Amino acid sequence: EAGVAQSPRYKIIEKRQSVAFWCNPISGHATLYWYQQILGQGPKLLIQFQNNGVVDDSQLPKDRFSAERLKGVDSTLKIQPAKLEDSAVYLCASTRGSATDTQYFGPGTRLTVL
Amino acid sequence: SQELEQSPQSLIVQEGKNLTINCTSSKTLYGLYWYKQKYGEGLIFLMMLQKGGEEKSHEKITAKLDEKKQQSSLHITASQPSHAGIYLCGALKWGAQKLVFGQGTRLTINP
Repeated sequence: EAGVAQSPRYKIIEKRQSVAFWCNPISGHATLYWYQQILGQGPKLLIQFQNNGVVDDSQLPKDRFSAERLKGVDSTLKIQPAKLEDSAVYLCASTRGSATDTQYFGPGTRLTVL
Repeated sequence: SQELEQSPQSLIVQEGKNLTINCTSSKTLYGLYWYKQKYGEGLIFLMMLQKGGEEKSHEKITAKLDEKKQQSSLHITASQPSHAGIYLCGALKWGAQKLVFGQGTRLTINP
């Protein structure tokens, strides 16, 4: 069974530019998560999807971050415009959808904002 | 909100030695996950604990959840270079299907 796929693996941009990350969850997984992990900290949840609906986006900075999961499979996370403090690893995870299902993580995208 | 405190924040041990990492919660844990992360990469699932007093082992790694379900420990026996990385505990938020993570423990194994 293929794991969670993410691309790109690395991205370097200038502040005020825009960037997009892509995630393909494990086949059949209904729930998809995007996390932000700043160096030296644990991952922080940005947004949670159940199929193509948003369950929780309370910690998503909506003035600059957006995410979608149009067909309930792949998802994209966008930042526009980027700030220096957005430099982090962006992790995607998925589960089948039950409350205690294990979250399986992708390799992450390391974003550097200059 | 639930907060998880991990200790120590970093740990350097000699290869072959045993070590323990702790994860303490301010609230009762309904599910506690341990993950391992290589620098700058994704998280690899290790174990999940739910019941008070539960203990699980995989190879040389043992995780325990105390009876009060507010503290978990991860113990590595006879550490190897392959054990090096960042260990993260994550608490399941009741009814929300989401995890809140501790800040991580960076483990270095010296040969």
